[in-house]
Amino acid sequence: GAGVSQSPRYKVAKRGQDVALRCDPISGHVSLFWYQQALGQGPEFLTYFQNEAQLDKSGLPSDRFFAERPEGSVSTLKIQRTQQEDSAVYLCASNDGRNTEAFFGQGTRLTVV
Amino acid sequence: AQSVTQLGSHVSVSEGALVLLRCNYSSSVPPYLFWYVQYPNQGLQLLLKYTTGATLVKGINGFEAEFKKSETSFHLTKPSAHMSDAAEYFCAVSLDRGSTLGRLYFGRGTQLTVWP
Repeated sequence: GAGVSQSPRYKVAKRGQDVALRCDPISGHVSLFWYQQALGQGPEFLTYFQNEAQLDKSGLPSDRFFAERPEGSVSTLKIQRTQQEDSAVYLCASNDGRNTEAFFGQGTRLTVV
Repeated sequence: AQSVTQLGSHVSVSEGALVLLRCNYSSSVPPYLFWYVQYPNQGLQLLLKYTTGATLVKGINGFEAEFKKSETSFHLTKPSAHMSDAAEYFCAVSLDRGSTLGRLYFGRGTQLTVWP
């Protein structure tokens, strides 16, 4: 596609619900990153994929967070048993693996009530 | 540990005035340095980056930044602000000095307001 696409754009979840956030990277981009941006803060790294391999998940805040990219394209970030502190914008970025530019999606704003 | 400090969470300038957004980093090795802009309800867009070579880098929309290793700084400037520059600006560093992108460490952001 023309850019990184994330869905849904907005998600309201009740505390304790599971949510799944989707990222469609730019076609052919091998690297995919997930970031969490809390209100008034800069984005914080969550996890990184190169193709289907999850090479770094050191930023995932707890075992309730899980990410996958089974075919090396679309990625899903799953949050189980959501809590209020999970409320944030979740940003996805992709990169073609040949330079240092990341292309960001518009993000998914998750609100846990 | 690495960190990125953006001095001033809010900066206000008049249209036509100089824009200066400050960024300092803390890193044991010289990192790659980036400035991103974020408009409301949009993703991050790369303004400019420094990896190697000339320490003064020019980006889109008339912005430029200078890498000063001795000061561990990468301040963003624009000689003359335009109303359309109003947005949030993020400084970021990457410690992966290869040909591809590694994880980014971001500052907390600076909200730029431009007055007519």
